[in-house]
Amino acid sequence: KQEVTQIPAALSVPEGENLVLNCSFTDSAIYNLQWFRQDPGKGLTSLLLIQSSQREQTSGRLNASLDKSSGRSTLYIAASQPGDSATYLCAVTLGNRAGKSTFGDGTTLTVKP
Amino acid sequence: EAGVAQSPRYKIIEKRQSVAFWCNPISGHATLYWYQQILGQGPKLLIQFQNNGVVDDSQLPKDRFSAERLKGVDSTLKIQPAKLEDSAVYLCASSLYRQQETQYFGPGTRLLVL
Repeated sequence: KQEVTQIPAALSVPEGENLVLNCSFTDSAIYNLQWFRQDPGKGLTSLLLIQSSQREQTSGRLNASLDKSSGRSTLYIAASQPGDSATYLCAVTLGNRAGKSTFGDGTTLTVKP
Repeated sequence: EAGVAQSPRYKIIEKRQSVAFWCNPISGHATLYWYQQILGQGPKLLIQFQNNGVVDDSQLPKDRFSAERLKGVDSTLKIQPAKLEDSAVYLCASSLYRQQETQYFGPGTRLLVL
């Protein structure tokens, strides 16, 4: 059974700081890994999707890396802003026929002005 | 492009009552997912459809939950009878196809069971 862990559960940083969010998973037979953002009371918004054959993806100030062999992914946020405050979740999709996704419980980020 | 639509947005019921949620995915998306998200946790997959067929429902409590996707477009998730522990946000998502594609989420339905 795939287990996804995100540490820390909460993180508070001052504006402008660079930061890293962590995601680890137990089954390396994945098809892809996605990072999502969730604002309070809202649905999830996809930030980055990394296929299993890729090592990283970048979008603006966000960079996500994937190391399948160690079962880890990181989301790097450069020059954080108060608008980045949200919960960040990673989801791992298995490489079998069903392609079932398993989510971590998320890291709640607060960026203080 | 219209996003994933869900209704209602909020629902309050008493235990043992029944409730139904509706989802309309992005046009042309073959895969539809229903997730349950309990406060403070990540979403848990309840059921996954590919067109109108079920791909995975291993975590769906089938004694009380049911879901259908007629004609491979919109979908309904039903709970009957509801329990206190069913209080959660029910999220619907869709993707163009399984696995390879980004999942797009609706705003969710927040259910409170009293």
